[in-house]
Amino acid sequence: KQEVTQIPAALSVPEGENLVLNCSFTDSAIYNLQWFRQDPGKGLTSLLLIQSSQREQTSGRLNASLDKSSGRSTLYIAASQPGDSATYLCAAGVSYSGGGADGLTFGKGTHLIIQP
Amino acid sequence: NAGVTQTPKFQVLKTGQSMTLQCAQDMNHNSMYWYRQDPGMGLRLIYYSASEGTTDKGEVPNGYNVSRLNKREFSLRLESAAPSQTSVYFCASLGSNYEQYFGPGTRLTVT
Repeated sequence: KQEVTQIPAALSVPEGENLVLNCSFTDSAIYNLQWFRQDPGKGLTSLLLIQSSQREQTSGRLNASLDKSSGRSTLYIAASQPGDSATYLCAAGVSYSGGGADGLTFGKGTHLIIQP
Repeated sequence: NAGVTQTPKFQVLKTGQSMTLQCAQDMNHNSMYWYRQDPGMGLRLIYYSASEGTTDKGEVPNGYNVSRLNKREFSLRLESAAPSQTSVYFCASLGSNYEQYFGPGTRLTVT
C-alpha cells in the first residue's frame, strides 16, 4: 500500500526566505506526483504536476522535483511572501488495479506560515 | 467552464439520517472520485469511477454508496449517517494529462 509522508508538518519562516517542503512515498510505481495548496476552509488548488517520466516542473516562484528511485519529491518556494501561507499537500498518482489512473494517495500536508 | 461543482456546501445531519452529495463536472472527463478529509488524516479515497457505468471502492468505502449517473455526474450517498462520517468531502475528476481537478468541498456534520 502506498504511503505518502510530508516533512515538516508545520513551518514558520520570515518573509523573503527560500524554503523547501519535502514529500516521500513508499512505492515508486507512481504515474505522477501532484502538489496542491489548501487555504483554511477551502478546496484544493493544483500547483504543479510532475509526470513519472519527468524530473521537475516550474511555475513562477515554485519548483517541484521528482526522484522516483529514491521515492522523494520536493517543492521549492523562492522569495516567500505572506500570501504563500497555506497548507501544502503532496499526492502520488497510483493505480490500484494496474489498469490506469485510479486515484491519488495524499500526504497529511505541511502547514506553512510566512511571517511579514 | 464551471469545472467541478458540489452541492450542498454545508450540511448538518442527525445520526441515522440519509443524504446524497452531488458532484458534476463539465470537462468531459471519464474518471471521477470521492475523497474525505479529516484533521490529522489527510485526504482518503472513498470511491472512484473510471467511466460511466463503473464504480470501484477506494480506501474507506464502508458506510457509503455511489452512483455514476452519467458522464458528468457522480453522487455519494450516506444511507444511515454516523458521527464518524463528520468530514469534508471532495469530489474530483481526472484530466487527459492525469491531473486531478477538485470541487470546493461539502462540509458535513453528523450529530
